[in-house]
Amino acid sequence: GNSVTQMEGPVTLSEEAFLTINCTYTATGYPSLFWYVQYPGEGLQLLLKATKADDKGSNKGFEATYRKETTSFHLEKGSVQVSDSAVYFCALKDNYGQNFVFGPGTRLSVLP
Amino acid sequence: EADIYQTPRYLVIGTGKKITLECSQTMGHDKMYWYQQDPGMELHLIHYSYGVNSTEKGDLSSESTVSRIRTEHFPLTLESARPSHTSQYLCASTGQGGSGNTIYFGEGSWLTVV
Repeated sequence: GNSVTQMEGPVTLSEEAFLTINCTYTATGYPSLFWYVQYPGEGLQLLLKATKADDKGSNKGFEATYRKETTSFHLEKGSVQVSDSAVYFCALKDNYGQNFVFGPGTRLSVLP
Repeated sequence: EADIYQTPRYLVIGTGKKITLECSQTMGHDKMYWYQQDPGMELHLIHYSYGVNSTEKGDLSSESTVSRIRTEHFPLTLESARPSHTSQYLCASTGQGGSGNTIYFGEGSWLTVV
């Protein structure tokens, strides 16, 4: 079945550091890939997405590239801020199923 | 910004009480979902619906029940709450076609059973 694996957290960085959160997936066909962010006490919000191989999703300084050859969708940001502290979820939706599959989430803490 | 609303946001109730968590969306989406999540942890799908009068159980067994009488409304009910039901409950929806390729979440309902 479909699955998503993310690097374990928590990840703790200093402000302005470079961020990478790894995400790999297993799926049939050509799924769409997503990153969602959850701030404390809130629901999940779509951060970015990519629907086909080699697409790059980007938003708020974050970006991720759909790599079919490595089945990966790693999230990156060049300079994190304290306000980026949240839990980040990688997710996929394949072309056959109706439901989304989420990774376990990675908690990011950014220190001033 | 997604138009999906959950009430109540926070609820503390005693063991054995019946509760209903409300979820409504104004986007005309056919598919709706309920997830259970401990704070900042993994999401667990407990119920979903592909349209009116359609409901299915998700990957995680739950003592809750759901109904889908109207497209926009997908309430979740616990007949007799227990402390093990303490968690955050997230409602979500997706549409058809291209809009079905993104899932939108409400802000969540935090339930504490004492």
